[in-house]
Amino acid sequence: DAKTTQPPSMDCAEGRAANLPCNHSTISGNEYVYWYRQIHSQGPQYIIHGLKNNETNEMASLIITEDRKSSTLILPHATLRDTAVYYCIVRALSNDYKLSFGAGTTVTVRA
Amino acid sequence: GAVVSQHPSRVICKSGTSVKIECRSLDFQATTMFWYRQFPKKSLMLMATSNEGSKATYEQGVEKDKFLINHASLTLSTLTVTSAHPEDSSFYICGLDSFNEQFFGPGTRLTVL
Repeated sequence: DAKTTQPPSMDCAEGRAANLPCNHSTISGNEYVYWYRQIHSQGPQYIIHGLKNNETNEMASLIITEDRKSSTLILPHATLRDTAVYYCIVRALSNDYKLSFGAGTTVTVRA
Repeated sequence: GAVVSQHPSRVICKSGTSVKIECRSLDFQATTMFWYRQFPKKSLMLMATSNEGSKATYEQGVEKDKFLINHASLTLSTLTVTSAHPEDSSFYICGLDSFNEQFFGPGTRLTVL
């Protein structure tokens, strides 16, 4: 699976949108972009995934650039409960379901 | 999405003892489950893939005789840390894949004294 690069940390204000960038310049045509988050001392939580079109669900929006070399996860109205480590993972859908977690971005939402 | 539980959530044991961690899929029949380990302030590292009715597949560097995995049913996988040592103290997390989304248990904090 392709490698991803994320900033190690970022702060954002409660109630504002949080934009989390991810670079995946070596992504292959059959690889999807997945986002997970891990709140302290809990298991990771699935957020969203996409291939090339922008995606939105009740948690977040995923914007993927046209060349697919980078993406942005948007939390539209950050709350204190969104404080977590956010992982951007690139993965091909196959019989190998493994996920390779990088260091992620530690997001701190401040009141 | 799939709901995954783990038991126990926290365990403290003496060095040399064995500890069993259970991972249950509450609403999904999982032929494959995953076991991860996470050290403090580090990311998750995949240890092994648990396959229902067959042997687990271990990642490079993970001792299969030390970390015994059993996946006897479609809803239960167990990880047994044998002859635990302080360096095995970690956060152990299981997960499963459901329709291309991976769901995780809440994790088990193991402390070996």
